[in-house]
Amino acid sequence: DIQMTQSPSTLSASVGDRVTITCRASQSIISWLAWFQQKPGTAPKLLIYQASSLESGVPSRFSGSGSGTEFTLTISSLQPDDFATYYCQQYNSYPYTFGQGTKLEIK
Amino acid sequence: EVQLVESGGDLVQPGGSLRLSCAASGFTFNVYSISWFRQAPGKGLEWISYISHPGDTKYYADSVKGRLSISRDNARNLVYLQMNSLRDEDTAVYYCARDRGHCTGTSCYRYPDSWGQGTLVTVSS
Repeated sequence: DIQMTQSPSTLSASVGDRVTITCRASQSIISWLAWFQQKPGTAPKLLIYQASSLESGVPSRFSGSGSGTEFTLTISSLQPDDFATYYCQQYNSYPYTFGQGTKLEIK
Repeated sequence: EVQLVESGGDLVQPGGSLRLSCAASGFTFNVYSISWFRQAPGKGLEWISYISHPGDTKYYADSVKGRLSISRDNARNLVYLQMNSLRDEDTAVYYCARDRGHCTGTSCYRYPDSWGQGTLVTVSS
């Protein structure tokens, strides 16, 4: 199985900050990576697919990059609505696997 | 509007069975594969099962293989997850999701683009 490792596990930031979350795969997943946002008590929401493609309706302050084994999710200017938990997921091969999550907290 | 609605979650004793349903609407159901995921209380996300759009290909996570069975009814826009021999560690919110993606040659790469709201399964005596 492909292991996905996210860092950091928790991130404290302020409105207006630029933040970056990293996701590493245990083997190459080419660009088959998605990023999700999840708020407490709600389902995950797709933000980015194929490592860098922005899902329709997602604000342009979200961006993704990377290929192979290292990927990043960047939020260019944090908004109050962005404080949530973020997960990466590889879909290169089954079983699909997720990173452990990054909780983005208000500083 | 794409909509997925899970139902069937309940409190069940260890060793018991449960059938979850996922009702889809707002899209052409029979051309999309569907996956199930779960999230234990306070934990991360786990993929557990996949079914292809005609229903002839199915995958399972090792953690549920042999105990869970996925199926679909394309005439009724429904996907089912039959859960048997339930364990304490199966306690979680269960989500169904529509898969989107593309195929290149013989390989297909799918990611969940729309999720249901989830249904809670609690396994406890």
